[in-house]
Amino acid sequence: EPEVTQTPSHQVTQMGQEVILRCVPISNHLYFYWYRQILGQKVEFLVSFYNNEISEKSEIFDDQFSVERPDGSNFTLKIRSTKLEDSAMYFCASRGVGQITDTQYFGPGTRLTVL
Amino acid sequence: DQQVKQNSPSLSVQEGRISILNCDYTNSMFDYFLWYKKYPAEGPTFLISISSIKDKNEDGRFTVFLNKSAKHLSLHIVPSQPGDSAVYFCAAGQPFGNEKLTFGTGTRLTIIP
Repeated sequence: EPEVTQTPSHQVTQMGQEVILRCVPISNHLYFYWYRQILGQKVEFLVSFYNNEISEKSEIFDDQFSVERPDGSNFTLKIRSTKLEDSAMYFCASRGVGQITDTQYFGPGTRLTVL
Repeated sequence: DQQVKQNSPSLSVQEGRISILNCDYTNSMFDYFLWYKKYPAEGPTFLISISSIKDKNEDGRFTVFLNKSAKHLSLHIVPSQPGDSAVYFCAAGQPFGNEKLTFGTGTRLTIIP
């Protein structure tokens, strides 16, 4: 069964450093998302991406964040200068073409720890 | 932002009995809803969904009920099995370009053997 994969599973970084979180969405999907979950809190939407551009972003997704689809398979989230409050689980999701209610399928997540 | 609420943080159910997880929402623009199951250190796994044109959707042991007038949905699991022990999130989406999912805070379901 096709699945979304994410690397690394755990990333530890120093405050102020740049990190890139990587995702490989399901191969025939065209809509891509990033969400995050701070420990003990709900899963929060960050950004959606379609046709090589951002289609929606949340207030969390400020200028320190960017997304890219550098090739036909990867989808990345970059945090330019990490802050302590960026520590969270980051989930990538993808959705197929079709009705708007097509399900978003989530990857296993990357745990980001900012020291 | 409390647009999607799961008021029960935890629920314990005897194996073989019915588990009922509840979710309330406030945004009348939501028109499709999903339930995800999550184990620790894993991503949310899709379980079942329902669009606003329906009031019930069934898939095996899982049934989701939607009451639009009350802005309430519920997930029924019957019979409950030990492997169902996990955190369950409801999520809601809006149509046509506003694609993000808004999640509830989750309910931790424990099935007692």
